[in-house]
Amino acid sequence: QSVLTQPPSVSAAPGQKVTISCSGSSSNIGNNYVSWYQQLPGTAPKLLIYDNNKRPSGIPDRFSGSKSGTSATLGITGLQTGDEADYYCGTWDSSLSVPSWVFGGGTKLTVL
Amino acid sequence: QITLKESGPTLVKPTQTLTLTCTFSGFSLSTSGVGVGWIRQPPGKALEWLALIYWNDDKRYSPSLKSRLTITKDTSKNQVVLTMTNMDPVDTATYYCAHSTVTTNWFDPWGQGTLVTVSS
Repeated sequence: QSVLTQPPSVSAAPGQKVTISCSGSSSNIGNNYVSWYQQLPGTAPKLLIYDNNKRPSGIPDRFSGSKSGTSATLGITGLQTGDEADYYCGTWDSSLSVPSWVFGGGTKLTVL
Repeated sequence: QITLKESGPTLVKPTQTLTLTCTFSGFSLSTSGVGVGWIRQPPGKALEWLALIYWNDDKRYSPSLKSRLTITKDTSKNQVVLTMTNMDPVDTATYYCAHSTVTTNWFDPWGQGTLVTVSS
């Protein structure tokens, strides 16, 4: 059971828009920056969004991130078949005496 | 350009200790603020953070696995080593190492990962 809750799967047609939610608490998302990772089939995760809404160099502006309170959202517009992947959110959690990193359970994106 | 690569056994027996090495280039663990983390992923399952070590030897561990994990660094060799004791079949996973820093809140880039199977 992950500390951060993501929907197991989302789907949309090519060209459409999709959002993936990541729900946490005040001990993690509520007081820390969120990052998002894209994991294409058979590959290592890749940083997609950092500091809630910033894109690393090379990441298209079709990908966006936002945060409100204890939830974060990844948005993908103009869906392409190449976007089919697993997406994970992550952040620090300070519910215990020493902060630890936590990931969401992951969301599988299917582009129909 | 930062790169990381994991190495270690592909098969370990239950109760054995796993030792994995992350060899990196493009940065130094003697540079203030730099860190290297370990993350694993069981087949078909989600990512799970394991441990993180910083340039000043500050170490962070997953609370649920802390008693079994040890992370160390060899700055001269540009390596970070993770040991996990008392391996069990449920520890079968792809193990990744990744670059981080004390002032950032993300892991980037990641190594390619190494699959470790626990079986007798």
